[in-house]
Amino acid sequence: SQQGEEDPQALSIQEGENATMNCSYKTSINNLQWYRQNSGRGLVHLILIRSNEREKHSGRLRVTLDTSKKSSSLLITASRAADTASYFCATALNTGNQFYFGTGTSLTVIP
Amino acid sequence: EAQVTQNPRYLITVTGKKLTVTCSQNMNHEYMSWYRQDPGLGLRQIYYSMNVEVTDKGDVPEGYKVSRKEKRNFPLILESPSPNQTSLYFCASATGSKVGNIQYFGAGTRLSVL
Repeated sequence: SQQGEEDPQALSIQEGENATMNCSYKTSINNLQWYRQNSGRGLVHLILIRSNEREKHSGRLRVTLDTSKKSSSLLITASRAADTASYFCATALNTGNQFYFGTGTSLTVIP
Repeated sequence: EAQVTQNPRYLITVTGKKLTVTCSQNMNHEYMSWYRQDPGLGLRQIYYSMNVEVTDKGDVPEGYKVSRKEKRNFPLILESPSPNQTSLYFCASATGSKVGNIQYFGAGTRLSVL
């Protein structure tokens, strides 16, 4: 399966620190997206990076993509307690129309 | 307000009793999809639809059916639910015919099959 894996599974940091989570996948992609999920609720899209892009920014979010290593990272700078959530990467392949989510990173930001 | 609406939000049923979870979107999106979320496994795609009358299997379609008779609706049908289908289910929609577009998610349906 293409399903990605995220690392770490859980991350606990102090407010104001940066949080980094990583995603690895198995086959060539069209794009990779990051989503956020507050406990038991629906996912919300954060950022999309295409296979021909290497880095993208959105507010306090920075995403990198390394297609040679089939990996991506999400950096949240100056974290806040409200950033506490689970974060998932998701990949869309070059062929077919399926969408594959990673296993998620649970982030806890301590005030 | 643009949204994806799932009903019901919570459902407890017994093995073998057919059920339907409805999903509706008001954004005129072509692409719709169902996922299940289980602890430690992330979200796995059950079925998806590229447009009206076009549906296809995802990674875990066994035990589920879908239909897409109207653009806005994409119900998930469990003909004979079993305990291993106890899960949190999400419906999502996306604009355009390309799967790589951004998906908008419903609030989820928590299903327990006894």
